[in-house]
Amino acid sequence: DQQVKQNSPSLSVQEGRISILNCDYTNSMFDYFLWYKKYPAEGPTFLISISSIKDKNEDGRFTVFLNKSAKHLSLHIVPSQPGDSAVYFCAASDFHNTDKLIFGTGTRLQVFP
Amino acid sequence: EAQVTQNPRYLITVTGKKLTVTCSQNMNHEYMSWYRQDPGLGLRQIYYSMNVEVTDKGDVPEGYKVSRKEKRNFPLILESPSPNQTSLYFCASRLTGVFDEQYFGPGTRLTVT
Repeated sequence: DQQVKQNSPSLSVQEGRISILNCDYTNSMFDYFLWYKKYPAEGPTFLISISSIKDKNEDGRFTVFLNKSAKHLSLHIVPSQPGDSAVYFCAASDFHNTDKLIFGTGTRLQVFP
Repeated sequence: EAQVTQNPRYLITVTGKKLTVTCSQNMNHEYMSWYRQDPGLGLRQIYYSMNVEVTDKGDVPEGYKVSRKEKRNFPLILESPSPNQTSLYFCASRLTGVFDEQYFGPGTRLTVT
């Protein structure tokens, strides 16, 4: 069963607007969450993370929001740029009990001019 | 430059012909792992290693072997490849417990006919 789900396989956004990528999880023990970005023919690269003790973390144009009661996190990109076009994976870990990351299925973001 | 290298990048082979995909990192990381990426399934962990001579199964280990004789190298071995192992493979490394600095290799696209 998929413990981390990204229900939107793709998203298309105009340059300058906000991109919102969503991720849901089922395991209430997850306490650390990350977003990775992947360009074609490259490996994923770390983008931003959030611990379960927070509900928001910002890094420049990227903000991750965590709603623990809904078991939901989202990544906001403002403003979106064409260079943000990539596949985005969310990942989660039960950090205090395991050294393992569980990845979602990915969302392909396309930012058009 | 911090780097995870994988070879080969592309491989087409036939069912049953043993193959090895090499992975090497230059960051002195203890933790290394192998993932496969499949459409609709995201990244799934095959095997991981927490240090030299310490390896363990991930979520989808069937049909794969690994070894960790040196800290920098973590080869993935397919003793008898089958078509369902056609996939995109990523090696990754990081310090134990430090998810934000997990580095992925560029990927190996394997086709088994």
